[in-house]
Amino acid sequence: IDMTQSPFTLSAFIGDRVTITCRASQNINKWLAWYQKKPGKAPKLLIYKVSTLGSGVPSRFNGSGSGTEFTLTINNLQPDDSANYYCQQYNTQLITFGQGTQLEIK
Amino acid sequence: EVLLVESGGGLVKPGGSLRLSCTASGFTFSNYNINWVRQAPGKGLEWVSSISSTSTHIHYADSVKGRFTISRDNAKNSVYLQMNSLRADDTAVYFCARDLLFGGQSPFDYWGQGTLVTVSS
Repeated sequence: IDMTQSPFTLSAFIGDRVTITCRASQNINKWLAWYQKKPGKAPKLLIYKVSTLGSGVPSRFNGSGSGTEFTLTINNLQPDDSANYYCQQYNTQLITFGQGTQLEIK
Repeated sequence: EVLLVESGGGLVKPGGSLRLSCTASGFTFSNYNINWVRQAPGKGLEWVSSISSTSTHIHYADSVKGRFTISRDNAKNSVYLQMNSLRADDTAVYFCARDLLFGGQSPFDYWGQGTLVTVSS
């Protein structure tokens, strides 16, 4: 299953709201997760099963969607949100990630 | 505290082999599926392989099938990735990651810090 994220890069100000989109090449039901990845660090699970927050993840992060179209929304952007974001489908045993979205905080 | 620590990375020539280890602590290792995920320099995340808690179910990405072998030793709280016939495009940081949930579909909740594998002559 191919996962296509958009945009590839994103730039926004502190306090802004941003949205990242992920499209699956076929129906993945609700088996969609989002990760935050910073250079030199391990990925961090933000959201799973489309909209369930990971442990310790602030409520500024919100996931939605179904079937093949999904979005990650980050509200009230903070400097620490500068990172790469990846969607992941785990509907099948052959797990796939989106190509990533680089978020820059101005 | 849940910890996953990878080791075994390094520099290897094309066609060579390397064995990565992932040693876990802080949880009941034998209950959880474990995965390997890699990130090539400047690239995104790529799932490589997964192994179920009892080694019953094993899966590989097409890019490594037939060259990589995943295994585990629950007595040693460890998962291994034997990598053979290595190619330049296998160069990446390799992470091990734990499934969040028992059985069925699951994302990955805990990750190691990664080990770098460089394939170059």
